[in-house]
Amino acid sequence: NAGVTQTPKFRILKIGQSMTLQCTQDMNHNYMYWYRQDPGMGLKLIYYSVGAGITDKGEVPNGYNVSRSTTEDFPLRLELAAPSQTSVYFCASSSLMTGGTYEQYFGPGTRLTVT
Amino acid sequence: AQSVTQPDIHITVSEGASLELRCNYSYGATPYLFWYVQSPGQGLQLLLKYFSGDTLVQGIKGFEAEFKRSQSSFNLRKPSVHWSDAAEYFCAVGAAGSLYNFNKFYFGSGTKLNVKP
Repeated sequence: NAGVTQTPKFRILKIGQSMTLQCTQDMNHNYMYWYRQDPGMGLKLIYYSVGAGITDKGEVPNGYNVSRSTTEDFPLRLELAAPSQTSVYFCASSSLMTGGTYEQYFGPGTRLTVT
Repeated sequence: AQSVTQPDIHITVSEGASLELRCNYSYGATPYLFWYVQSPGQGLQLLLKYFSGDTLVQGIKGFEAEFKRSQSSFNLRKPSVHWSDAAEYFCAVGAAGSLYNFNKFYFGSGTKLNVKP
């Protein structure tokens, strides 16, 4: 299993541009999450999904959108990039049904800079 | 409100010395507790988790953690630190629920560990 994969690894955007951060997991997990990590701030939840077709906002959803058309994929969309969205973005997945394990599995992250 | 506090932002220990990283949580329900490690430029890797049972849990890389309900703490320990343990460590708390009840994780702000030769 590849686990959770994210693309791209790095990206520089100009203010006002749009982009999609891709996330795929091959563990058949129900739950998927998007976090952003700012220096010294830990991880903040942007959006989450409990299954295909079901998404909801986390702590910091403004400026982002998500969709979940399949179990495997959970892309994060930035419509009008702003400098405040400069951060490292992590995708994660988890399952309550995997032998009782509940931990989140993380992708390697996407480092985004908006200038 | 649910929260996780890691009071130490940076810790420096000498190689071979013991280590304890502190984590305190505030959570209304029965907590599930986790410690993750993040090496520079990498994602988060699970070190250990506590769901129920024995309050002293063993993890990977020689780490252990003890759940103390009375103190709302879940401190991470290692008897002898190696240079490769230099990383950032995150404590997280979540709660049990059904398949259709989303259960969020709450992460602490992290503790950066430096290891002196």
